[in-house]
Amino acid sequence: EAGVAQSPRYKIIEKRQSVAFWCNPISGHATLYWYQQILGQGPKLLIQFQNNGVVDDSQLPKDRFSAERLKGVDSTLKIQPAKLEDSAVYLCASSLGVGVSYEQYFGPGTRLTVT
Amino acid sequence: GNSVTQMEGPVTLSEEAFLTINCTYTATGYPSLFWYVQYPGEGLQLLLKATKADDKGSNKGFEATYRKETTSFHLEKGSVQVSDSAVYFCALSDSSYKLIFGSGTRLLVRP
Repeated sequence: EAGVAQSPRYKIIEKRQSVAFWCNPISGHATLYWYQQILGQGPKLLIQFQNNGVVDDSQLPKDRFSAERLKGVDSTLKIQPAKLEDSAVYLCASSLGVGVSYEQYFGPGTRLTVT
Repeated sequence: GNSVTQMEGPVTLSEEAFLTINCTYTATGYPSLFWYVQYPGEGLQLLLKATKADDKGSNKGFEATYRKETTSFHLEKGSVQVSDSAVYFCALSDSSYKLIFGSGTRLLVRP
């Protein structure tokens, strides 16, 4: 079974530029998550989708971050414009459903460096 | 709010040594507790979990017991191997099933 795919793996941009990350979850997984992991910290949830609807985006900086999940499968996360403090690894995860019995499976992440 | 605190790393051990990585939490209600592991170049993987007080989660020789009285979920392994070198994250899941992670502890096992 294929795991969660993310691209690109690495991205370097200048501040005020825009960037987009792509995630393809495990087939059949209804729930998709985007996390931000700043160096030396644990992952922090940015947004959670159930199929193509948003369940929780309370920690998403909506003035610059946006995310969508068209057709309830792939998802993109966009930052526009980027700031230096956005340098982090962006992790995508998926699960069959919501609840402690549903394991979240993580992708390898996209490492973003903003200069 | 809910939070998780882990011991700072790196933790450096010789092969076959005993491992303990401390984790304590602050939460309202009765969270579920998890340990995730991140091997070099790979994504986070669930290592073990416990969903109620006094439960013991175990996997691959690792174990952790949910201690409500001390709000702790310490990770232990009796004999570590070089292949256990990784970053370990303690996490809790609150009533909305959102995962809240600690800052991670890097383990380095020397042959």
